[in-house]
Amino acid sequence: ELVESGGGVVQTGESLRLSCAASGFAFTDFWMSWVRQSPGKGLEWVANIHLDGGEEWYVDSVKGRFVISRDNVKKSLDLEMRGLRAEDTAVYYCARAQKYCGGGMCRHWYFDLWGRGSQVTVSS
Amino acid sequence: SYELTQSVSVSVALGQTATIPCEGDNIESENVHWYQQKAGQAPLLVIYRDNKRPSGIPERFSGTNSANTAALIISGVQAGDEADYFCQMWDTDTGSAVFGGGTKLTV
Repeated sequence: ELVESGGGVVQTGESLRLSCAASGFAFTDFWMSWVRQSPGKGLEWVANIHLDGGEEWYVDSVKGRFVISRDNVKKSLDLEMRGLRAEDTAVYYCARAQKYCGGGMCRHWYFDLWGRGSQVTVSS
Repeated sequence: SYELTQSVSVSVALGQTATIPCEGDNIESENVHWYQQKAGQAPLLVIYRDNKRPSGIPERFSGTNSANTAALIISGVQAGDEADYFCQMWDTDTGSAVFGGGTKLTV
């Protein structure tokens, strides 16, 4: 199970930290992700983090503003969001990412377990 | 960047077969995954890597991927299948996941 927390309403330019508590599976065996959903843009992948936290991937629109991190002892995943914009308004889902290989590369993921989501609203 | 195109809505009668297409340039060269999202709920993976079903997903759900169209097929549609369905692939050129815009299935 994945349970998100930390959402809320903030002003443009402010910061917010989301957290996700994992249980019921071997947390350290999986990449983890954040995916967001807004009414106007549907589902949008935000970030991935390696099993040990040593590698991070981000969608271009959040690079330099968002930081994904994990604590394998606490079995938790975080998303630190800075410089928030109106377009960041969305429900943010924590998701377990399954890695697979294709076309000679092992740099593909899909998402096989999702949390219930946490609403982030950025108001101007 | 790569784009996945889905019909906005598909309607099907109870007990019939629903086909939900997902179009992309030479999409058959990539693996496509499908998510079901019921109102007010988180997405649920129903098909991964074109045609594989996660544990707990009924055999009524299947997937195909050929040429420029991937499809989610739901046979013997039930009222509980009414939901939004999203396709997804991983774009290795941009290093990011790509989702289709979603199809609302009405039973």
